[in-house]
Amino acid sequence: AQRVTQPEKLLSVFKGAPVELKCNYSYSGSPELFWYVQYSRQRLQLLLRHISRESIKGFTADLNKGETSFHLKKPFAQEEDSAMYYCALPSGGYNKLIFGAGTRLAVHP
Amino acid sequence: GAVVSQHPSWVICKSGTSVKIECRSLDFQATTMFWYRQFPKQSLMLMATSNEGSKATYEQGVEKDKFLINHASLTLSTLTVTSAHPEDSSFYICSARGGGENSPLHFGNGTRLTVT
Repeated sequence: AQRVTQPEKLLSVFKGAPVELKCNYSYSGSPELFWYVQYSRQRLQLLLRHISRESIKGFTADLNKGETSFHLKKPFAQEEDSAMYYCALPSGGYNKLIFGAGTRLAVHP
Repeated sequence: GAVVSQHPSWVICKSGTSVKIECRSLDFQATTMFWYRQFPKQSLMLMATSNEGSKATYEQGVEKDKFLINHASLTLSTLTVTSAHPEDSSFYICSARGGGENSPLHFGNGTRLTVT
């Protein structure tokens, strides 16, 4: 069955430090993975998707099929990056999305 | 960009009453919408897939008679929590795609339901 695992509930770093939010998946076939972000008191919004291979707000994520991972990275964290980050994977009919448990990123000054 | 509007933002109701939550796609048509539930400090759990003009598809463990879904038009889906109980208190979020099946999901702002 398709599954998304985010092992860290909380990641706490200082401003300017590198960030890596981990995401591992279980999927039969070629997955399309997403990272969604939820800032405080805001709705969930798409951060990036692997198929577009773009960098948003300095974040990148590379799909590693060998390790079945899609870790989210940023070389220099900013305070405004503090938010909840969810890794997501399409599953089943209608490409409905299933989400990982989420990782809270806290960037301290 | 595609906007999904959810109403109400929050609602408090008494145990045993029913509550309806609306989800609208404001500037696009959505044949399919998704309803999620989020408990505090937990992830989003998919409840059901709402299909315009047909019955909703419920995830395993979700009571379809408890959570009634009606997708009356290409821009509106409603979730009715029937005979609500305190354990139904949660954050309900709807989402929809602005394009084809592979386009990203756009989310509503969510509805916080508190059942007293």
